[in-house]
Amino acid sequence: QLQLQESGPGLVKPSETLSLTCTVSGGSISGSSFYWGWIRQPPGKGLEWIANVYHIGTTYYNPSLKSRVTISVDTSKNQFSLKLSSVTAADTAVYYCARSWPRSLDYWGQGTLVTVSS
Amino acid sequence: QSALTQPASVSGSPGQSITISCSGTSSDVGDYNYVSWYQQHPGKAPKLMIYDVSNRPSGISNRFSGSKSGNTASLTISGLQAEDEADYYCSSYISSITHVVFGGGTKLTVL
Repeated sequence: QLQLQESGPGLVKPSETLSLTCTVSGGSISGSSFYWGWIRQPPGKGLEWIANVYHIGTTYYNPSLKSRVTISVDTSKNQFSLKLSSVTAADTAVYYCARSWPRSLDYWGQGTLVTVSS
Repeated sequence: QSALTQPASVSGSPGQSITISCSGTSSDVGDYNYVSWYQQHPGKAPKLMIYDVSNRPSGISNRFSGSKSGNTASLTISGLQAEDEADYYCSSYISSITHVVFGGGTKLTVL
């Protein structure tokens, strides 16, 4: 059974860079036709797709976040990562990693809350 | 890209059927048969319930069904059960560059 697990700091200061990693187990990131992505959900609000990455490193970004986001993949560790720069309180959210088709997201991590505060 | 439009809330009694709509445009919902629906219980990750408008992943009850007409997709839940009470989100594929857009979510209350 495929499992995804997010990890990273739960508290980030304003103007700094948020960094998260998703570790995939029970399956390999490389050599598959799937994409791997990040989605976030501010407290009490809806879902927002952030970015996807293909195992060869091709990236896809939400236009509204593109200038601040970098997604990358490390197939040797079966991980993919998210960096969001110049964060503000509006970036406070639960961040999920997920496997993407990319038209659907079928396996999700449990999510990790990241709070932006000084 | 703009979020897809869903009603904020719907409700129904046990055993009844309800339908949640998801309105988009000719650039998203209307352009692709790639609408998905997700169920999210409080404090939990979203769960894929419907993909490609009307297909159910393995293990999803046939009480859940999806359809699409023009720029609007719909999720129908028949034989409502207490466990169906959750938030539901639709999504649509947009393009090969910017993959997915979500709806704003609908809170389903089972009375």
